[in-house]
Amino acid sequence: EPEVTQTPSHQVTQMGQEVILRCVPISNHLYFYWYRQILGQKVEFLVSFYNNEISEKSEIFDDQFSVERPDGSNFTLKIRSTKLEDSAMYFCASSEEGTIYFGEGSWLTVV
Amino acid sequence: GENVEQHPSTLSVQEGDSAVIKCTYSDSASNYFPWYKQELGKGPQLIIDIRSNVGEKKDQRIAVTLNKTAKHFSLHITETQPEDSAVYFCAAKRSGTYKYIFGTGTRLKVLA
Repeated sequence: EPEVTQTPSHQVTQMGQEVILRCVPISNHLYFYWYRQILGQKVEFLVSFYNNEISEKSEIFDDQFSVERPDGSNFTLKIRSTKLEDSAMYFCASSEEGTIYFGEGSWLTVV
Repeated sequence: GENVEQHPSTLSVQEGDSAVIKCTYSDSASNYFPWYKQELGKGPQLIIDIRSNVGEKKDQRIAVTLNKTAKHFSLHITETQPEDSAVYFCAAKRSGTYKYIFGTGTRLKVLA
């Protein structure tokens, strides 16, 4: 069964450093997303991406965040200057239309 | 703003019993309601979903009901098994948006 894959599974970074989280969405999907989940809390929407541009973003997704689809298969989330409060599990997701499918997540720890 | 409330936050049931989790949404324009199961250290996995033109949907031991008037929907798991133990999230989405609003999650523990 096709699945969304994410790398790395876990990353520890110093505060202020840049981080790039990578995702390979399901191959025939056209819509891509990033969500995050702070430990013990609910899953929160960050951004959606369609046709090579951001289609929607939340208030969490400020200027420190950016997304890119550098080639035909990868979808990345960049955090320019990480803060302690960016520590969370980041989930990539994709959809054809409607139902979205999540990856296993990238656990980011900012120290 | 948009919000989804979910109850209970934790639920323990004996193996074989039923479990019910309830969610209430605030955005009356919501028209799609998926349920996700999240096991420890993994991503949310879709288990069942329902659209606003349907009142109930069933898939083996899992069913979801939707009351649009009251703006709430529920997940029902019958004949629970230990492997049903996980955190369950409800979500709501309105037409024309790509954003899911998630509930706060329910930690289900099925006791053998």
